[in-house]
Amino acid sequence: QQKVQQSPESLSVPEGGMASLNCTSSDRNFQYFWWYRQHSGEGPKALMSIFSDGDKKEGRFTAHLNKASLHVSLHIRDSQPSDSALYFCAASRPGYQNFYFGKGTSLTVIP
Amino acid sequence: DAGVTQTPRHEVAEKGQTIILKCEPVSGHNDLFWYRQTKIQGLELLSYFRSKSLMEDGGAFKDRFKAEMLNSSFSTLKIQPTEPKDSAVYLCASSLWTGGSQNTLYFGAGTRLSVL
Repeated sequence: QQKVQQSPESLSVPEGGMASLNCTSSDRNFQYFWWYRQHSGEGPKALMSIFSDGDKKEGRFTAHLNKASLHVSLHIRDSQPSDSALYFCAASRPGYQNFYFGKGTSLTVIP
Repeated sequence: DAGVTQTPRHEVAEKGQTIILKCEPVSGHNDLFWYRQTKIQGLELLSYFRSKSLMEDGGAFKDRFKAEMLNSSFSTLKIQPTEPKDSAVYLCASSLWTGGSQNTLYFGAGTRLSVL
């Protein structure tokens, strides 16, 4: 059973638009969440982490975490064609360095 | 700083062959992970080492997959014998564990394996 579920599977937004990606966990022990981004032909790269309830903003990217509902989201404002990539949500438990990944959301930003 | 280096970038094998994939983690990192990436399953953990000790071995992969850390700066993943269903991208990642909060993974570019 997949412990981390992502939606939607794919998403298209116009350049300059807002992209919203979602991630839900089925394990209440998960306390730490990351978003990773993978461009074609490359390995995933960490975008941002979020460990506390609420919002965390880094430039055009905002992550939101609600531990009670085990839900984390990523919002990309002013989307650029270079944001077109596969986005993964990852989760882990305290004191345990293994990470559980969702299957990813494929984002296409249309110029 | 050098990131995670994986070689080769592409590998083509005949069914039944033995192949060895290589990984050099970020210098100073003490956690090393091997993942398999497919479109259907996403990222699946194959092996996880901390300071060269095997911490976790992806249960479904114990049969024909063996990862080793020969020293703190070099790891291999051996698949023996290969099967067509092993065709995937194999990713190596490392991080620095300091005993505190969780740390970010740094991934290599991956090895794309095709088994004919």
